[in-house]
Amino acid sequence: GDSVTQMEGPVTLSEEAFLTINCTYTATGYPSLFWYVQYPGEGLQLLLKATKADDKGSNKGFEATYRKETTSFHLEKGSVQVSDSAVYFCAYYSGTYKYIFGTGTRLKVLA
Amino acid sequence: GAVVSQHPSWVICKSGTSVKIECRSLDFQATTMFWYRQFPKQSLMLMATSNEGSKATYEQGVEKDKFLINHASLTLSTLTVTSAHPEDSSFYICSAHDRAGDTIYFGEGSWLTVV
Repeated sequence: GDSVTQMEGPVTLSEEAFLTINCTYTATGYPSLFWYVQYPGEGLQLLLKATKADDKGSNKGFEATYRKETTSFHLEKGSVQVSDSAVYFCAYYSGTYKYIFGTGTRLKVLA
Repeated sequence: GAVVSQHPSWVICKSGTSVKIECRSLDFQATTMFWYRQFPKQSLMLMATSNEGSKATYEQGVEKDKFLINHASLTLSTLTVTSAHPEDSSFYICSAHDRAGDTIYFGEGSWLTVV
């Protein structure tokens, strides 16, 4: 069935380290792909998105490229900050405003 | 920007009692809201779609008599967990569709613990 698989956390990094959070999906067709972020005590916020193959979404130094061949949408950031500590959710849009989410990956960045 | 607020953020209730979680769109009208549930180490799972002024649409496997959804106004949807049991303990999160901007906004989520 349709699903999103993302790496289990928590991920703990030092400030300025390189970040990769893997995400792969199983879906019919080529859905739009998203990364959401949830900071402590807040709702999920859209971080970035890509709507078609080879698109690269980017925001706040984060990037993810829609790879049709590998059905992946890995999240990367070259230099993380303490303020990036949050839970990151990979998701795709399954239609009629419905999303399929991954389990979320908690990131903790140490000063 | 648009905000969706959930209340309460944390709730502990006794087994057999009912608990209500509210989801409000604070600065836009939401004809459609969604309720998700997340068990530990599992994905956010869509439970139901809440439509203003009509019955909610439940996903397969979700008990409609157990999880009562009411969407009586354009800014408020409620989820009531009836006769709660410890296995209902979970993280519940709502989202709302802002038709004007064609955007989905999420609430901050509610942690339910049934003891």
